Amino acid sequence: DTGVSQDPRHKITKRGQNVTFRCDPISEHNRLYWYRQTLGQGPEFLTYFQNEAQLEKSRLLSDRFSAERPKGSFSTLEIQRTEQGDSAMYLCASSALGTGVHTDTQYFGPGTRLTVL
Amino acid sequence: AQKVTQAQTEISVVEKEDVTLDCVYETRDTTYYLFWYKQPPSGELVFLIRRNSFDEQNEISGRYSWNFQKSTSSFNFTITASQVVDSAVYFCALSRMNTGFQKLVFGTGTRLLVSP
Repeated sequence: DTGVSQDPRHKITKRGQNVTFRCDPISEHNRLYWYRQTLGQGPEFLTYFQNEAQLEKSRLLSDRFSAERPKGSFSTLEIQRTEQGDSAMYLCASSALGTGVHTDTQYFGPGTRLTVL
Repeated sequence: AQKVTQAQTEISVVEKEDVTLDCVYETRDTTYYLFWYKQPPSGELVFLIRRNSFDEQNEISGRYSWNFQKSTSSFNFTITASQVVDSAVYFCALSRMNTGFQKLVFGTGTRLLVSP
């Protein structure tokens, strides 16, 4: 199995611009999570999809953030009107729902590092 | 509420030394998972281990071992005979069990520096 992939790996943008990140989970993983990690901190949960349904959102996810997972495959995270405080690593993880040994374990992608100037 | 505390911000050791990374957690759930992830300089979080709350048996995998003690709410990680390649930030994490939504709650991480 190929792992979780994310694109782009790095994004530099100017304040006020919109950005979109993509995550491709491990095939057949029906659960997908987005996290944000700032320097010196652990990742913090942003949002959760089960198949195509967005079931949970953190209070960290302001109105400027939107996420989708059409058809329950890849996911996108869009940030509108970026602010300097949005600078962080955005991590995507996927896991399988089931009863197998490797279910309920989240596997992470390489992340997208966003810098807002 | 769930919380994970990694009190050690940074640890420096010389190659071949043993090192233990501490993790203390808080949760009101009766069933839960505990995890350790490794984050090398490249930035990707690499899964190391998952333990179920009802299984307190310690685990060993090569140079890595984990000590889970429910009585003290701790899940410590020991690297035996450390190597330079072990240099990374290590995160302990906690999630609920038996539910579709299992967000990970992470500690702030421990940076391990192994020098030759």
